[in-house]
Amino acid sequence: KQEVTQIPAALSVPEGENLVLNCSFTDSAIYNLQWFRQDPGKGLTSLLLIQSSQREQTSGRLNASLDKSSGRSTLYIAASQPGDSATYLCAVSLYSSASKIIFGSGTRLSIRP
Amino acid sequence: DAGVIQSPRHEVTEMGQEVTLRCKPISGHNSLFWYRQTMMRGLELLIYFNNNVPIDDSGMPEDRFSAKMPNASFSTLKIQPSEPRDSAVYFCASIQGSERAFFGQGTRLTVV
Repeated sequence: KQEVTQIPAALSVPEGENLVLNCSFTDSAIYNLQWFRQDPGKGLTSLLLIQSSQREQTSGRLNASLDKSSGRSTLYIAASQPGDSATYLCAVSLYSSASKIIFGSGTRLSIRP
Repeated sequence: DAGVIQSPRHEVTEMGQEVTLRCKPISGHNSLFWYRQTMMRGLELLIYFNNNVPIDDSGMPEDRFSAKMPNASFSTLKIQPSEPRDSAVYFCASIQGSERAFFGQGTRLTVV
C-alpha cells in the first residue's frame, strides 16, 4: 500500500530564506508526483507536476525534484515571501494516468516578515 | 473555463438527514475524484471515476456513502443517513490524462 509522508508537519522561517520541503513515498512505482498549495479555507492548487521519467520541474521561485529509486521528492522555495505562507502537500499518482492520487499530510509553512 | 465547481459551499444538516454534494468537473477532463479532508486524517480519497465509470471506491467509509457520475459534466456524493463524524470538507477534483489535478473550492459539511 502506497504511503506518502511529509516532514516536518510545520515550519516557520524568516522572510528571504531559501527552504526545502520534503516528501517521501513507500512504493517507487509511481506515474507522477505533484506538489500542491492550500490556503486556509480554500481548495488545492497544483504548483508543479513531475512525470516519473523526469528529475525536476521549475516554476518561478519553485523547484521540485524527484528521486524515484529512493522514494523522495523535495520542493525548494527560493527567497521566501510572506505570501508563500500556506500548507504544501505532495501527492503521487499510481500506475497510470487513470489511477488514484494519494496525498501526504502536508507541511504548514509560515514565513515571518 | 470556470474551473471545478462544487455546490453547496457550506452545508449544515441534522444527524440522520440525507446530504447530496455536487461537482461539475472541467470540460474535457476524463477523471474525477472525491476527497474528504479533516484535521485528524488529512486528505482521504473516497472514490474516483474514469470516463464516468467508478474505478476504485475502496475509500468510501460505509454503505451510507454513495457516488454517481451520470455524465461527463456532473457527479454527486450522497450521504444517507448523515452522522456527526461525517463533518469535514469534501473536495472534488478533475484531471485530463496525466496532467495536473484541478480542485474545487470544497463543500464544508457540518452534521449536528
